[in-house]
Amino acid sequence: GENVEQHPSTLSVQEGDSAVIKCTYSDSASNYFPWYKQELGKRPQLIIDIRSNVGEKKDQRIAVTLNKTAKHFSLHITETQPEDSAVYFCAASISGGGADGLTFGKGTHLIIQP
Amino acid sequence: NAGVMQNPRHLVRRRGQEARLRCSPMKGHSHVYWYRQLPEEGLKFMVYLQKENIIDESGMPKERFSAEFPKEGPSILRIQQVVRGDSAAYFCASSGPAYEQYFGPGTRLTVT
Repeated sequence: GENVEQHPSTLSVQEGDSAVIKCTYSDSASNYFPWYKQELGKRPQLIIDIRSNVGEKKDQRIAVTLNKTAKHFSLHITETQPEDSAVYFCAASISGGGADGLTFGKGTHLIIQP
Repeated sequence: NAGVMQNPRHLVRRRGQEARLRCSPMKGHSHVYWYRQLPEEGLKFMVYLQKENIIDESGMPKERFSAEFPKEGPSILRIQQVVRGDSAAYFCASSGPAYEQYFGPGTRLTVT
């Protein structure tokens, strides 16, 4: 089955700096890669996703890149703000006409230092 | 604008009792997924259901756990004879024809 590795487990950055979180996946058939943000005690929230026919996607301060050949994808957050502090999870699945279950990475605890 | 609903939000059970967790998908969504999250860990896929059908239960423990999504009413995750190791947050997610899965607020199960 699919295996998703996520690094780093903890990332501390100064407010205003950029943060990058990286994930690798094992199953070359995976074609859908979402990112979720989870604040303490809250539900995971979908923040951005990318499909395998696209190399990069951007939404305001958040961007995701995908390298299918190397089987890795990354989340980039620019101009970080205190409210960006949370745990971020990457995930992968094989999807078509209704998604399969997601395989998640172990999460990155992002800390924004004021 | 109702999102994915789960109840109860918190559930306390003694060892050996049964736990029933309910999930109502977002309006217009017909796919339901259940995930388990242990403290300080990521989410683990358990089961994927559509109305009256289990599509993929590869992540479900073989014993004591079952799930259903009847024609009418919410999806239910049932855990029989709970043990301390079942204590976790159980999240339900739903999706429509597209890929995006949206999560409910979760049920935090504590087994005493």
